[in-house]
Amino acid sequence: AQSVTQLDSHVSVSEGTPVLLRCNYSSSYSPSLFWYVQHPNKGLQLLLKYTSAATLVKGINGFEAEFKKSETSFHLTKPSAHMSDAAEYFCVVSDNTGKLIFGQGTTLQVKP
Amino acid sequence: NAGVTQTPKFQVLKTGQSMTLQCAQDMNHEYMSWYRQDPGMGLRLIHYSVGAGITDQGEVPNGYNVSRSTTEDFPLRLLSAAPSQTSVYFCASTPRTGWNTEAFFGQGTRLTVV
Repeated sequence: AQSVTQLDSHVSVSEGTPVLLRCNYSSSYSPSLFWYVQHPNKGLQLLLKYTSAATLVKGINGFEAEFKKSETSFHLTKPSAHMSDAAEYFCVVSDNTGKLIFGQGTTLQVKP
Repeated sequence: NAGVTQTPKFQVLKTGQSMTLQCAQDMNHEYMSWYRQDPGMGLRLIHYSVGAGITDQGEVPNGYNVSRSTTEDFPLRLLSAAPSQTSVYFCASTPRTGWNTEAFFGQGTRLTVV
């Protein structure tokens, strides 16, 4: 069975400082991994997805994620937070039948 | 390019009432699904469909019915609403199943059952 755990329910950073949102996954085979973002009262938008082409994945709005098989992690980072990054972030693993398994979500607060 | 369209955006129901949440996609995607979002629990799969005429249960199917008569539409029916069904509902579609295929989401329906 596949599962995903987001290690922090809430992260608070100051504008201009780095962002780290942590995600660990469990999968019995090569996982399909994604990060989605949800701004307040909005739908979900794909930030990035893991492809086997590279372990460091670049997404939209300056976000990146690194796939570490040995640590079963797929942490999301951004060098410098912007106020517009305040949102809820979901780490997601797919079981390759189309079903998505979501983490519990991490709320990112960005302070001026 | 509409993508995935959900209606209504907001709904208040009384306990015991029934209603249908609509979902339509114009991308000719095979796979469609319904999720509910509750605080601290992420999104959980209610029902899904791998193509017209085929549906199956997800993680939390009780109290909900679905049908898929066309590729485009995947309505979610609440048979007898309960306060526990107060949630935000998202419909999603995927072009195909398989490795590394991302889903496209609607804007959500915020449902309150009183």
